[in-house]
Amino acid sequence: SQQGEEDPQALSIQEGENATMNCSYKTSINNLQWYRQNSGRGLVHLILIRSNEREKHSGRLRVTLDTSKKSSSLLITASRAADTASYFCATDGRAAGNKLTFGGGTRVLVKP
Amino acid sequence: DARVTQTPRHKVTEMGQEVTMRCQPILGHNTVFWYRQTMMQGLELLAYFRNRAPLDDSGMPKDRFSAEMPDATLATLKIQPSEPRDSAVYFCASGSGLIREDTIYFGEGSWLTVV
Repeated sequence: SQQGEEDPQALSIQEGENATMNCSYKTSINNLQWYRQNSGRGLVHLILIRSNEREKHSGRLRVTLDTSKKSSSLLITASRAADTASYFCATDGRAAGNKLTFGGGTRVLVKP
Repeated sequence: DARVTQTPRHKVTEMGQEVTMRCQPILGHNTVFWYRQTMMQGLELLAYFRNRAPLDDSGMPKDRFSAEMPDATLATLKIQPSEPRDSAVYFCASGSGLIREDTIYFGEGSWLTVV
């Protein structure tokens, strides 16, 4: 079963715009990670945020975590065509046996 | 660049045949994961190993699937007999430490089609 659920399922934006996607989860977590998957490729780790952190930045990526709402958001600023990919949140926690479980992903299309 | 290597990249097989997928984790990594990805189910964790010992394979159909690590440089996922519903992309991933403190690195996947 999936612990995290991304929203929206798909997103289409113009190059230069910001892209925001959200992840909700059900049970307590140790940390939350975001991964990216280009078509036909494996997943690549983007960023990890721990349960005691509220915000984290990495380049054009900004991740927030609200443990009270059991939700996280990933913001990609100044998007580029190369950002076109599927983005997944992944959580681990006691309820999942500390296994890393992935959501269904958000498909992002950045139009040049 | 250190990376997880999976073989085969693509496999088409007939129903009932045995399929073996192989994975070489990143050297020095002590955790290995097998995931299956389909459009309907998304990414499902099938099994994971730490220091070559299976820690959890509850996500794996036991009657036809088996996962092993014969040594630290090789993980295998076997399906026998294969069925059309097994058609999916199978990913291997490895990590260097505890799941809650570490990220994992994915291979490029083995694309399986069972006809």
